Amino acid sequence: DAKTTQPPSMDCAEGRAANLPCNHSTISGNEYVYWYRQIHSQGPQYIIHGLKNNETNEMASLIITEDRKSSTLILPHATLRDTAVYYCIVSPYNNAGNMLTFGGGTRLMVKP
Amino acid sequence: KAGVTQTPRYLIKTRGQQVTLSCSPISGHRSVSWYQQTPGQGLQFLFEYFSETQRNKGNFPGRFSGRQFSNSRSEMNVSTLELGDSALYLCASSFGEEETQYFGPGTRLLVL
Repeated sequence: DAKTTQPPSMDCAEGRAANLPCNHSTISGNEYVYWYRQIHSQGPQYIIHGLKNNETNEMASLIITEDRKSSTLILPHATLRDTAVYYCIVSPYNNAGNMLTFGGGTRLMVKP
Repeated sequence: KAGVTQTPRYLIKTRGQQVTLSCSPISGHRSVSWYQQTPGQGLQFLFEYFSETQRNKGNFPGRFSGRQFSNSRSEMNVSTLELGDSALYLCASSFGEEETQYFGPGTRLLVL
């Protein structure tokens, strides 16, 4: 079973920041938080990951709470092309086996 | 670098037949994972290969099998196809020690 909880859907206005929350209250010390997204009928696309510090790359920012029980993915200026299902996944690093457990994700709809 | 490639992209088979899907990982990546995506069950892990050895296996029947070649390319096979095997089959590769997986576009299989 997925170890994360995400809202099933969210809307965002084009050009505004999209803030996607994720709860992972049972996360353990060696588990990273990963975010992927899947645009309709395509393979999931890696966005960002982090352990305890906030992370930023060219696609998004990841804010992880101090207790690590929740995180927020931020798309600073959402565009129509960001409409997708966003998956938050917790997974240990170097776990001797690459197996991602996907939950239901959040369907983000960016509206003009 | 070229991304993960999967062939064929679309496939139609009938019940009882078998099918072989192919995945070429990103150059230098040694781990290949396979996932099945259906509307009802979402994205589910099938198995993972690293250096030609199956390292992890998901909860799927023995009709689903795979292998990895010395050049890291991987194939998965489904025998005695059932209607419920209709799905998007996704392949993902990673360097091996690093968790981040990069997905291919998928093979959409329709079983009639």
